[in-house]
Amino acid sequence: DQQVKQNSPSLSVQEGRISILNCDYTNSMFDYFLWYKKYPAEGPTFLISISSIKDKNEDGRFTVFLNKSAKHLSLHIVPSQPGDSAVYFCAASGHGGSQGNLIFGKGTKLSVKP
Amino acid sequence: DTEVTQTPKHLVMGMTNKKSLKCEQHMGHRAMYWYKQKAKKPPELMFVYSYEKLSINESVPSRFSPECPNSSLLNLHLHALQPEDSALYLCASSQEGSFETQHFGDGTRLSIL
Repeated sequence: DQQVKQNSPSLSVQEGRISILNCDYTNSMFDYFLWYKKYPAEGPTFLISISSIKDKNEDGRFTVFLNKSAKHLSLHIVPSQPGDSAVYFCAASGHGGSQGNLIFGKGTKLSVKP
Repeated sequence: DTEVTQTPKHLVMGMTNKKSLKCEQHMGHRAMYWYKQKAKKPPELMFVYSYEKLSINESVPSRFSPECPNSSLLNLHLHALQPEDSALYLCASSQEGSFETQHFGDGTRLSIL
């Protein structure tokens, strides 16, 4: 059974608008969450992270929100740009991130249209 | 440009061949990882090395044999692979400790004939 779920395989957004990518998890032991972005033929690139002691982390156009009671996190990109078009993976780890056992979701393909 | 370098980028091999995938990082990271990613699936952890010692083996078949010769290098030796082993193999590295962020290479696309 999937512990990290990204239920939307794809998302299309107009340039300049907000992109919201969602992620749900089932394991309450997860305490560190990351978003990675992946272009074709490249490895995942780290985007932003959040630990379970926070409910929001912001970095430029990217903000991650964590709702622990709902076991839900989301990535907001605003304003969206065509260069943001990529597959976005949500990942989670438990036990303080030790041993680096990241569990990935299946990814959401974001398309930002000019 | 990625700070984790993987070679080769593509590899085609027969089921009886022996080959190795290589990964290198010079960020001073002390943890290194191998992941396998099949098409339209998320990356799945295979092995974790911490301070050059194998710390996690996610029940990977013995036809995959990892090796960490030093803190900058991570190899994955392949022998007698099956067609279902065809996938993208990703290497990653991170600082040791909690709340670490893993940095990924671009992967090796492996095809087994």
